Amino acid sequence: GNSVTQMEGPVTLSEEAFLTINCTYTATGYPSLFWYVQYPGEGLQLLLKATKADDKGSNKGFEATYRKETTSFHLEKGSVQVSDSAVYFCALSDPGGATNKLIFGTGTLLAVQP
Amino acid sequence: KAGVTQTPRYLIKTRGQQVTLSCSPISGHRSVSWYQQTPGQGLQFLFEYFSETQRNKGNFPGRFSGRQFSNSRSEMNVSTLELGDSALYLCASSWGGANEKLFFGSGTQLSVL
Repeated sequence: GNSVTQMEGPVTLSEEAFLTINCTYTATGYPSLFWYVQYPGEGLQLLLKATKADDKGSNKGFEATYRKETTSFHLEKGSVQVSDSAVYFCALSDPGGATNKLIFGTGTLLAVQP
Repeated sequence: KAGVTQTPRYLIKTRGQQVTLSCSPISGHRSVSWYQQTPGQGLQFLFEYFSETQRNKGNFPGRFSGRQFSNSRSEMNVSTLELGDSALYLCASSWGGANEKLFFGSGTQLSVL
């Protein structure tokens, strides 16, 4: 079945460090791919998305490229801030039809230290 | 513009009881989805409603049910609660197309004792 495998956390970085959170997927068909972020005590917020191969999603300095050949959608940011501390979820849409069902990875906790 | 509102924020129940959670989507949104979030299983899809009809369903037992009203507000019900039902239940809304951005509420934290 469809699934998402995400880098285990927690990831601890110093401010201004480079961030990579790995995400790979297994899916039949051509799903859309998403990164959502969850701040403490809040629901999830969409960070970025990509709908087809070679698309690059970007937002707030974060980027991820839909790589069909490696079935990956790694999240990157050139210089993290303390305010980026949160849990990051990689997700794919169910490519089966007209639905908003998402399949999520396990989440990666990012802690950025000043 | 108001966001997705979930009530109540916290619930404590005992085994065997039933519970109803409520979700008010963003005005104009017609799709409402529900997810269960636990430390062990992560985020798991429960079901999605669109225009009062269940459009998709996850792999949960029949004790978990939901409905959507004509104003797009949604409720989910869990009957005969088990300890393992303790979780954060998240509701998300969207306009109704496929693969859209989902807007999540802050969730209802359910504890089953």
